[in-house]
Amino acid sequence: EAEVAQSPRYKITEKSQAVAFWCDPISGHATLYWYRQILGQGPELLVQFQDESVVDDSQLPKDRFSAERLKGVDSTLKIQPAELGDSAMYLCASSLELGRTEAFFGQGTRLTVV
Amino acid sequence: GESVGLHLPTLSVQEGDNSIINCAYSNSASDYFIWYKQESGKGPQFIIDIRSNMDKRQGQRVTVLLNKTVKHLSLQIAATQPGDSAVYFCAENISNAGNMLTFGGGTRLMVKP
Repeated sequence: EAEVAQSPRYKITEKSQAVAFWCDPISGHATLYWYRQILGQGPELLVQFQDESVVDDSQLPKDRFSAERLKGVDSTLKIQPAELGDSAMYLCASSLELGRTEAFFGQGTRLTVV
Repeated sequence: GESVGLHLPTLSVQEGDNSIINCAYSNSASDYFIWYKQESGKGPQFIIDIRSNMDKRQGQRVTVLLNKTVKHLSLQIAATQPGDSAVYFCAENISNAGNMLTFGGGTRLMVKP
């Protein structure tokens, strides 16, 4: 069964360091999402891609976060420098097309900033 | 695995009973809705979806009801099983906001054997 792949599963980093997460969506899915989920809350959308283009990044803290999907397939989310408040689960999801189609999630990357 | 939601609203049901989980949404431009199930330490898992031109959709043991008048969505689980214990989220696609898929706050379902 096709699934969204994310790595690493767990990451511990010191504050002020750089950290990166990788996501490989389901083959053929044009839309890719990055979410952040703080313990006890629902996922919060950070950035949304359609192919290689950013559709929405209004909730992405652009002073320290960046995301790219250069070839319209896999994607990388980077944080530099990491802060204690960035500790969360980072989830990637993909869907066939933008809006009104089911989005499938990966297992996430659990980030702990110390 | 760690707990997904420590301070979420909780619904506790007896095994075999039916469960109803509710969700309110605020954006009248939302045209598509999804229910997700999330177990500890895992990503959300798709359960069922519904488009705004429908008011009911059924799956295997699950039914989603949509009331656009009051902006309310519910997930009904028939014959709830211990494996249904998880946190449930509703998500809405906001078509006039770049088709953003945004999530509600979630409800923890606990099934007592």
